[in-house]
Amino acid sequence: DVKVTQSSRYLVKRTGEKVFLECVQDMDHENMFWYRQDPGLGLRLIYFSYDVKMKEKGDIPEGYSVSREKKERFSLILESASTNQTSMYLCASRPQLMNTEAFFGQGTRLTVV
Amino acid sequence: AQTVTQSQPEMSVQEAETVTLSCTYDTSESDYYLFWYKQPPSRQMILVIRQEAYKQQNATENRFSVNFQKAAKSFSLKISDSQLGDAAMYFCAYKSPGANSKLTFGKGITLSVRP
Repeated sequence: DVKVTQSSRYLVKRTGEKVFLECVQDMDHENMFWYRQDPGLGLRLIYFSYDVKMKEKGDIPEGYSVSREKKERFSLILESASTNQTSMYLCASRPQLMNTEAFFGQGTRLTVV
Repeated sequence: AQTVTQSQPEMSVQEAETVTLSCTYDTSESDYYLFWYKQPPSRQMILVIRQEAYKQQNATENRFSVNFQKAAKSFSLKISDSQLGDAAMYFCAYKSPGANSKLTFGKGITLSVRP
């Protein structure tokens, strides 16, 4: 089975802190994604990566950056956390085969106080 | 850019009954992929069913089936013989062709199942 693991299930950080959300997948997938999930807004794409060291902005990249130094790991970075970044963050991966779905981690619920 | 619309935020169904969840999308592409995902209270997103746009036949997975109307850009999910474990959020998603294309999601619908 494909496994996508996010480092934390719940996280509480202070305003202004630098926050790292880590995601690891074990299926050698080329593509990895970070989504943000908010009530009434669904899933919105923050960043995605289609190869090591490659990244592209999604729909809401402001306030975030990403890092992909190894194929299996994709990190989301909040340079200076703000309260409006309190949300559920979902990591996903998928192979480059065109008709395959994305596989998701269990989500990290981040609270910025 | 493609958009996915799920206009009903909530629905309820009686156990053992059938329910249909609606999804429409907007695209200028002729080939693409559509998905329904389930997110139970555990938060783990699970694929329910997928449909390739070039296939005319509607996809079916056990109690789950879709009504894919390409001309109308509609992709509804039918759940037959609803079970308590079907209670969850359901998301419709669109994917363009191309190895590195992203998934675009709708806002989701919360389905409750009455015993």
